[in-house]
Order: sequence, then structure tokens, then C-alpha cells
Amino acid sequence: QKEVEQNSGPLSVPEGAIASLNCTYSDRGSQSFFWYRQYSGKSPELIMFIYSNGDKEDGRFTAQLNKASQYVSLLIRDSQPSDSATYLCAVSFNQGGKLIFGQGTELSVKP
Amino acid sequence: GAGVSQSPSNKVTEKGKDVELRCDPISGHTALYWYRQSLGQGLEFLIYFQGNSAPDKSGLPSDRFSAERTGGSVSTLTIQRTQQEDSAVYLCASKAGGPRETQYFGPGTRLLVL
Repeated sequence: QKEVEQNSGPLSVPEGAIASLNCTYSDRGSQSFFWYRQYSGKSPELIMFIYSNGDKEDGRFTAQLNKASQYVSLLIRDSQPSDSATYLCAVSFNQGGKLIFGQGTELSVKP
Repeated sequence: GAGVSQSPSNKVTEKGKDVELRCDPISGHTALYWYRQSLGQGLEFLIYFQGNSAPDKSGLPSDRFSAERTGGSVSTLTIQRTQQEDSAVYLCASKAGGPRETQYFGPGTRLLVL
């Protein structure tokens, strides 16, 4: 069973702090890794994707991948109340690109 | 350009009825996916279409669920003899060719089975 696991949260951070979201996956054959943000009642929207070990930065967001540890994370710097949402980790096992999602981590950024 | 569209946005049906959910992918996208999200749950993969290849149906929960994609574009997900546990948001996504391309999601259809 291929699995993707996330802490469900909620994760609460003060405005301006760094939010750290973590995800582990079970299949070492995983190729592609994605972070989606989902506001309540809305569909997921892509935040970041990462394919290679190391860090990838895009504005306030940094994705980190460690394939040896089967671990992917998302850091959000200078967190804003508008970042409050559920963050979904998704993994593609390169089988046509279907995504296996974690349960999501609810993030709450307090003003 | 236009994103993925889905219809209807909301559907209420009675237990035992059949329902059809429609997805219009982004123009030119060759891959189309159906997922569902039950209340408070993550997204569950249902079925995947890629070009003219046979669809990957490995995520369909029962034989009451089926999907087709006509002309390599529009897709319809059909649920026969709906059950209350089928209540969920059904999300469609599409992407261009290649396993590393990004999937873009539609707004979803919220299905409630009474």
C-alpha cells in the first residue's frame, strides 16, 4: 500500500513566524512531490513541486526533499493570516502521474 | 485561458438513483483525473485517462462507479445506485503530457446522497 502521511494539525503559528509542514511517504520509487493549498470549500491549488533532493525556494515558500529519509517538507516564511488553509502533500509514483495525497495539515496563522 | 470546469457544482440525489458528473479539462491537456474528497478527508484517486490508452481504474471503489472520456476531452463520471457513503466532493484535474507536469483542479461537484 503506497501511503503518504501528514500530521493533521491544526498547526497554529503567529503572524510573521515560520510555518513548517511535514510529509513522509512509503514508496522509495516516488518521483515527484507536490504541495497543494486548499482553502475551506475550495479546490486544491498548487503551491510548490519538487523532484530532486535538496531545497527549492519560491518567494516565501521553500520545499525540501530528502529521498533517503522519504521525507518532504514545506516551509512558509513570514506567515500571513491569508496562509491559513489546509496543506496537502501529494506524491506521484510515476505511474501516469496519478497523485497520492496525504490527509492534509490544517494551518492557522494568528494575527 | 479557461481552467478545468465541472458540472453540476452541487448535486443532491436520493439513495439508489444514478448520477452523472461532468468534467471539461483545460484545452490541450491529454491527461484527466478524477478524485473524491469526503468530509474532513484527503483526496482519494479514482480513475485516470491518458490520451488513447486504457484508463487506470485502480481507484474506483466499486463497480457502481464508471467513467468515460469522449473524444479525448470531456469526461463523465457515473455513479449507479448511489449510497449515502458516496456523498463527497468529486474533483477533476487535468494536465499536459508527461508525468512531471502539474495537475490543475476544477472546482469540484459536491454530491449529497440522502
